[in-house]
Amino acid sequence: QLQLQESGPGLVKPSETLSLTCTVSGGSISRSTYYWGWIRQPPGKGPEWIVSMYHSGDIHYNPSLESRVTESIDTSKNQFSLKLTSVTAADTATYYCVTIVAGTRVDYWGQGVLVTVSS
Amino acid sequence: EVVLTQSPDTLSLSPGERATLSCRAAQSVGSNLAWYQQRPGQTPRLLIYGASSRATGVPDRFSGGGSGTDFTLTISRVEPEDFAVYYCQEYGSMFGQGTRLEIK
Repeated sequence: QLQLQESGPGLVKPSETLSLTCTVSGGSISRSTYYWGWIRQPPGKGPEWIVSMYHSGDIHYNPSLESRVTESIDTSKNQFSLKLTSVTAADTATYYCVTIVAGTRVDYWGQGVLVTVSS
Repeated sequence: EVVLTQSPDTLSLSPGERATLSCRAAQSVGSNLAWYQQRPGQTPRLLIYGASSRATGVPDRFSGGGSGTDFTLTISRVEPEDFAVYYCQEYGSMFGQGTRLEIK
């Protein structure tokens, strides 16, 4: 059973970069057929897909966020990471790391981390 | 991006009643649609994928249907633990705004 755990600061200042890491246990990123991705959910609103990436480097972005998003995978640490630049209050949300079956459904979710953008 | 519109926004039912939730896509997504349940304070949980296939461990009172632009999630007899928010999602892309299933 795969387990995902997000880590990173819960508070980021406007205009700065949000950085989160997801640690995977119960399976290997490099030997998996999953895509590894990020979804966020603003308070009281629905989820919003951000990005998903395969360990080979194939990557898919939400077009509305693409210019500000970087995702990377570190197979040696069995981790993947998200960076979102130039954040504003609109980026305040619970951020989930997830596994995605070959660009289709989301199978596993981390517990999520609330990131607040505020000075 | 395909816009998904869910209806109704809120559905008020009593336990034991039948629930029918709708998801409409602005353009065809074939059968590339999933449904998720989110209970208060919990992470979303996959219910249905491929428009009509139940995920592992999902009770058979949940069923999905439709293709192209019009999809439904049906709960044959609503149980107390089913009161939650339900989201549809085009594969690897956008989510609908959600339908809240509340106790009448």
